[in-house]
Amino acid sequence: DTEVTQTPKHLVMGMTNKKSLKCEQHMGHRAMYWYKQKAKKPPELMFVYSYEKLSINESVPSRFSPECPNSSLLNLHLHALQPEDSALYLCASSARPGLAGANEQFFGPGTRLTVL
Amino acid sequence: ELKVEQNPLFLSMQEGKNYTIYCNYSTTSDRLYWYRQDPGKSLESLFVLLSNGAVKQEGRLMASLDTKARLSTLHITAAVHDLSATYFCAVDSGGGADGLTFGKGTHLIIQP
Repeated sequence: DTEVTQTPKHLVMGMTNKKSLKCEQHMGHRAMYWYKQKAKKPPELMFVYSYEKLSINESVPSRFSPECPNSSLLNLHLHALQPEDSALYLCASSARPGLAGANEQFFGPGTRLTVL
Repeated sequence: ELKVEQNPLFLSMQEGKNYTIYCNYSTTSDRLYWYRQDPGKSLESLFVLLSNGAVKQEGRLMASLDTKARLSTLHITAAVHDLSATYFCAVDSGGGADGLTFGKGTHLIIQP
């Protein structure tokens, strides 16, 4: 299995809802990432989990809460979002965090989130 | 703060022509990545460049890295319509598990 999967593909939620985005990889990668991408913009890093520990949190608002239950799974819990949080949320994984050489990140298909 | 600058941001070209996309970055990192994104889709990894002078080619695309100049190029040879997409270069700052910092992307349209 050489892919990163994300569910759901699309999500529409109100500002008072609680929802979760899920990401899974079975490539034995030891780092997983969440990125946010607004239309016609580059992806922006939100969180990094390395060896199942949160290593980078790019000053993301607390209404986004990441969770890494195990090395294959990554969740992003959403609560009290704002309309400006509407975006494509991309998950990625890489095999060799913290080591020399390539640390190529492989991206999932993304979840397109709309906040009403 | 790591900065990655791409140019041009928009490029319209005819099939059969050659062109180059440039990527400058501000860190000493020698790990540079090129990705392709089709509209509404995710990112597809194209090239990983790890050292000064690295050159990689896949079909009509060739990428190179000059770490001394902190410059990478993506060269398109004899463009075809199927190469129309947005191309991003990205850099990680090295050490630890690092996320990528992306350039703004080059929106490439190839017309018959």
